[in-house]
Amino acid sequence: SYVLTQPPSVSVAPGKTARITCGGNNIETKSVHWYQQKPGQAPVLVIYYDSDRPSGIPERFSGSNSGNTATLTISRVEAGDEADYYCQMWDSDTDHVVFGGGTRLTVL
Amino acid sequence: EVQLVESGGGLVQPGGSLRLSCAASGLTFSSYWMNWVRQAPGKGLAWVSRLNTDGRSTTYADSVKGRFTISRDNAKNTLYLQMDSLRAEDTGVYYCVTEGYGEYVFMEYWGQGSLVTVSS
Repeated sequence: SYVLTQPPSVSVAPGKTARITCGGNNIETKSVHWYQQKPGQAPVLVIYYDSDRPSGIPERFSGSNSGNTATLTISRVEAGDEADYYCQMWDSDTDHVVFGGGTRLTVL
Repeated sequence: EVQLVESGGGLVQPGGSLRLSCAASGLTFSSYWMNWVRQAPGKGLAWVSRLNTDGRSTTYADSVKGRFTISRDNAKNTLYLQMDSLRAEDTGVYYCVTEGYGEYVFMEYWGQGSLVTVSS
């Protein structure tokens, strides 16, 4: 089955740029989606189809996908961005939904 | 506003059964593929199952196949998850989730979750 690999943690100072990666075999041929989950809350979709933003998600959130790595980029990081972030794809061969292990973003 | 409200969680002994429900409002429920996603305490997200719009096509994660059954009642705008032969590793928060429209599957709207605890 397809595996998505994320770093367990990323730290960034306020106002700087955070990049959270999601690795997978030839992932650029897949469509990757990203979710933000704050403590005690349900996840929220922040990026879909590699780089599209749902309404209500700040432009500071962006996504890209190339080679074996998809990346969620958060510009001008704020304290409120501190959360767990998960990447996700759909394995069409098995019709299974796959999540990465999650990355905890810490704002220093 | 889309609302998904899960219910039916609780404490159950290993080997027991539980049925979760998810009441949907603010959307045309019968037009959406639906999913269950769970999260063990302190762990990441894990997909459980998905169901098509008319309820005839289902897919399950290997860890629950043969033990869990996903279903829906479009007349009642409700999604279900029947969980049998429960194990300790099934413990966690279970989220009801709609799929977004498009060629590839993504999770659009999430409920607040229902906690299932499997323990003796």
